[in-house]
Amino acid sequence: NAGVTQTPKFQVLKTGQSMTLQCAQDMNHNSMYWYRQDPGMGLRLIYYSASEGTTDKGEVPNGYNVSRLNKREFSLRLESAAPSQTSVYFCASRRDGVFPGELFFGEGSRLTVL
Amino acid sequence: EDQVTQSPEALRLQEGESSSLNCSYTVSGLRGLFWYRQDPGKGPEFLFTLYSAGEEKEKERLKATLTKKESFLHITAPKPEDSATYLCAVQGKESQGNLIFGKGTKLSVKP
Repeated sequence: NAGVTQTPKFQVLKTGQSMTLQCAQDMNHNSMYWYRQDPGMGLRLIYYSASEGTTDKGEVPNGYNVSRLNKREFSLRLESAAPSQTSVYFCASRRDGVFPGELFFGEGSRLTVL
Repeated sequence: EDQVTQSPEALRLQEGESSSLNCSYTVSGLRGLFWYRQDPGKGPEFLFTLYSAGEEKEKERLKATLTKKESFLHITAPKPEDSATYLCAVQGKESQGNLIFGKGTKLSVKP
């Protein structure tokens, strides 16, 4: 019953450092997403992947890169972290179908950039 | 541009005091409206999907309704364990499958 698993859960970086957030889902979903959540801003889409081998920008993609490694895994990379990227990051997946299905979220990765 | 506005930002209720949360939306062709519950330090947890005006869904003390411009999440006789932030999201026909989220309503239920 793992669902969507994110690692790490917590991370502190210095400005300019790089890191990768990992996400894996075991529900055989095609679509996967990365959101960030900031106080007073709600959830904002960073990047998404409609299927293995495809990725597209969301609302706030600047400063991030993603890789859809296979159907299960979707990673988010910060090449040169900035304090503005301090946030809680959520990975999500969704089944596809005629009617839009709900998103399944991971527990979140809490990132602080000093 | 698709938009979702939730009100109020915060709501404090006494146990047993029923109330409603509002989600107003503008979207180019609604494909679905979603309600989520988020507990502190956790990811959002799916509650309901509504697809068309007039539709209603229920789960325990929660009931979600949908009109052409807004959705309501009615909470009947809430308990302290209903305390959480409730998020509303929409998917429009032009959104390429992506969901647009509101900022949420933080509900506190006091015993």
